[in-house]
Amino acid sequence: SQTIHQWPATLVQPVGSPLSLECTVEGTSNPNLYWYRQAAGRGLQLLFYSVGIGQISSEVPQNLSASRPQDRQFILSSKKLLLSDSGFYLCAWSGLFVTGELFFGEGSRLTVL
Amino acid sequence: GNSVTQMEGPVTLSEEAFLTINCTYTATGYPSLFWYVQYPGEGLQLLLKATKADDKGSNKGFEATYRKETTSFHLEKGSVQVSDSAVYFCALSEYVSAGGADGLTFGKGTHLIIQP
Repeated sequence: SQTIHQWPATLVQPVGSPLSLECTVEGTSNPNLYWYRQAAGRGLQLLFYSVGIGQISSEVPQNLSASRPQDRQFILSSKKLLLSDSGFYLCAWSGLFVTGELFFGEGSRLTVL
Repeated sequence: GNSVTQMEGPVTLSEEAFLTINCTYTATGYPSLFWYVQYPGEGLQLLLKATKADDKGSNKGFEATYRKETTSFHLEKGSVQVSDSAVYFCALSEYVSAGGADGLTFGKGTHLIIQP
């Protein structure tokens, strides 16, 4: 069966410091991968998605970037964090030729102080 | 563009009460529809789905029927439990082509609180 993991689960970082959140999927090949952010109001914002290695699409201009160095690995990064980057970050995957549902990781809580 | 509208709550009910969370959508084509549930501090879990008009998705006592004529996908449960307390998200997916990475369009979530 397929599983998705992301880490770290919780992170407290000072303003201006770098960020790296990692996500890996197991049990499937060529997944579509996504990063969402959930801010205090509970809404979900799509940040990035990827259909393959090295292919990244950005939905919202921001202080963040994403990379996909391997088929089942998706990384969210920042060179210098802002206070507004605080939130709950969710990685998700979907397969091909299915009805479009996403499967989410456990989430990473980022607090920028 | 696509959009999903749902009541934000919080919705507070007593245990064993009947639950309805309304969800309506706007889409240009024929989307698939989903309900996700998020427990405190966790990621989203797929609760149920429906892929075409008049389909009924069901899971764990929850049900939702895809109503194309009213563009709705309301979530219902006959008798809620304290353990159902969570945030519920309605979402749609409109795959333009196989392998498309459009992701999901989410509603803002409904916070459900069940009191004993």
